[in-house]
Amino acid sequence: DAKTTQPPSMDCAEGRAANLPCNHSTISGNEYVYWYRQIHSQGPQYIIHGLKNNETNEMASLIITEDRKSSTLILPHATLRDTAVYYCIVRVAGPFIIQGAQKLVFGQGTRLTINP
Amino acid sequence: DGGITQSPKYLFRKEGQNVTLSCEQNLNHDAMYWYRQDPGQGLRLIYYSQIVNDFQKGDIAEGYSVSREKKESFPLTVTSAQKNPTAFYLCASSTRPLNTEAFFGQGTRLTVV
Repeated sequence: DAKTTQPPSMDCAEGRAANLPCNHSTISGNEYVYWYRQIHSQGPQYIIHGLKNNETNEMASLIITEDRKSSTLILPHATLRDTAVYYCIVRVAGPFIIQGAQKLVFGQGTRLTINP
Repeated sequence: DGGITQSPKYLFRKEGQNVTLSCEQNLNHDAMYWYRQDPGQGLRLIYYSQIVNDFQKGDIAEGYSVSREKKESFPLTVTSAQKNPTAFYLCASSTRPLNTEAFFGQGTRLTVV
């Protein structure tokens, strides 16, 4: 799986958009970008994923650059409950079954603090 | 309700004892995973299983063992060979191949004294 690089920490004011960057310069053509978050002492929670098009759901938006070497997770109106560690993962998905390709590998993540 | 359940939430053991952490899912997922998390650190993959009766080592498998006799269950045994067993252990499951998301349990905090 491609490695990812994220800033260790970020701050954002409540009500503002939180933009979390992720670099994945060695991403392969069949690798997706996934985002999870982990609130203190809980299991990680899936947020969103995408291949090359921008994606949006009820939680967030995912912007992937045209060359796919980086992406940004956007929380449009951050609340105090969004304070968490955010993980960016790139991995193979879809119908292709490759030995060992199904594992999920997490990096250090970004600790996002939403300030009142 | 469908989900993934880890038990117990907190576990204390004496040094030198083996201990088994439970992970059960009723999501009909083929793949299951075990991770370890230390304070202030990200998740590190211990073992994962893509189908019943099959599992592969992750990045930090030494001192751990697993079994996958049933689709619903993926227990993790922390053996006495694991030098630093005190940690937060997380179990997850997903479809195979992974098309959408992985679901995580709430974790087991193991303390070895």
